[in-house]
Amino acid sequence: DTAVSQTPKYLVTQMGNDKSIKCEQNLGHDTMYWYKQDSKKFLKIMFSYNNKELIINETVPNRFSPKSPDKAHLNLHINSLELGDSAVYFCASSRTFQGEAGNTIYFGEGSWLTVV
Amino acid sequence: GESVGLHLPTLSVQEGDNSIINCAYSNSASDYFIWYKQESGKGPQFIIDIRSNMDKRQGQRVTVLLNKTVKHLSLQIAATQPGDSAVYFCAEKQAYSSASKIIFGSGTRLSIRP
Repeated sequence: DTAVSQTPKYLVTQMGNDKSIKCEQNLGHDTMYWYKQDSKKFLKIMFSYNNKELIINETVPNRFSPKSPDKAHLNLHINSLELGDSAVYFCASSRTFQGEAGNTIYFGEGSWLTVV
Repeated sequence: GESVGLHLPTLSVQEGDNSIINCAYSNSASDYFIWYKQESGKGPQFIIDIRSNMDKRQGQRVTVLLNKTVKHLSLQIAATQPGDSAVYFCAEKQAYSSASKIIFGSGTRLSIRP
């Protein structure tokens, strides 16, 4: 049973298209995240939701819109895809939104997005 | 900018030897640090964490050392095995209004020589 699952794992799409990545966690956690990892492996937080409420919104283009229909799901929709959006996108979850001992962040396997 | 960085981007270690992965941070107010391991094609996986009121914490074959004076964090892996090959990230908790966010460093790739 995968704790944090995201789909699709691989996505190749053309510039200008709109795409979505879905994420679900079955850990009963309140907090979910989207991270972006670039080609140099740098991992940067994009968004964080706690009980469906947006709590962290980094400097991310408006083309990226997260949606949390319930606390177990956090989807990422990207409009008008650009070449620079090519990266690996990781969904993650944790019990609460506080970074503290015992509140481990669990990551999904990643979604490899390639924009051509 | 990000406050967590690493001294070395790659580290090659002989199988059976101990590995030491280093990390520097610049935010002296950070009070919680974590090490993650990311294997090829997978998401980061929690290894061990440490609060700022500690200077050492041990897990199974791993030890994290924290030196707040010089803002340095290290991960020691005993008797390195082929399965330890991965990218290792240190991460740091930073306050963000009412929440806190985890900032990741740029990672060190650990490779094991047979």
